[in-house]
Amino acid sequence: GENVEQHPSTLSVQEGDSAVIKCTYSDSASNYFPWYKQELGKGPQLIIDIRSNVGEKKDQRIAVTLNKTAKHFSLHITETQPEDSAVYFCAASRGDYKLSFGAGTTVTVRA
Amino acid sequence: GAGVSQTPSNKVTEKGKYVELRCDPISGHTALYWYRQSLGQGPEFLIYFQGTGAADDSGLPNDRFFAVRPEGSVSTLKIQRTERGDSAVYLCASSLMLAGGTGELFFGEGSRLTVL
Repeated sequence: GENVEQHPSTLSVQEGDSAVIKCTYSDSASNYFPWYKQELGKGPQLIIDIRSNVGEKKDQRIAVTLNKTAKHFSLHITETQPEDSAVYFCAASRGDYKLSFGAGTTVTVRA
Repeated sequence: GAGVSQTPSNKVTEKGKYVELRCDPISGHTALYWYRQSLGQGPEFLIYFQGTGAADDSGLPNDRFFAVRPEGSVSTLKIQRTERGDSAVYLCASSLMLAGGTGELFFGEGSRLTVL
């Protein structure tokens, strides 16, 4: 099955700085790569996703890049704000529903 | 309601007992999913329903776990003879079916199960 590894496990950044989270996956047939944000006591919420036919996608302060050859993808958050503090999960799947998640990155934005 | 609703939010039970966890998906969402999240880990896929039928139950860990969705809306996850290792947050999600695949998964807040 798919194995997704995520780094770092914790990340502390100064407000206004950028945050980068990296993931690798094992199944070369995976074609869907979403990122989720989970706040304490809440369920994961989709923040951005990318499919295998695209190398990069941006949505305001958030961007995701995908390197299919190397089987890795990354989340970039620019101009971080205190409300960006949360646990972020990457995931991968063949198709959309049977997601394999990474172990998560706890992001803390220092004011 | 506006989002995916899960009950109970917290359940404490004793080893060997039977437990039911309920999920009420977003109205109109035909696809429903159960995931399990252990402390400090990402969610793990359990089962996927398309309408009333389980389209993929390959993530259910063993035959103590069973899920139903009899009318294609509300789903119940059933765990028999609970074990301490079953302790986790059980997440339900729902989505629309779109041309070419499922749409965005919307997760509920989860049911935290503790087996003593």
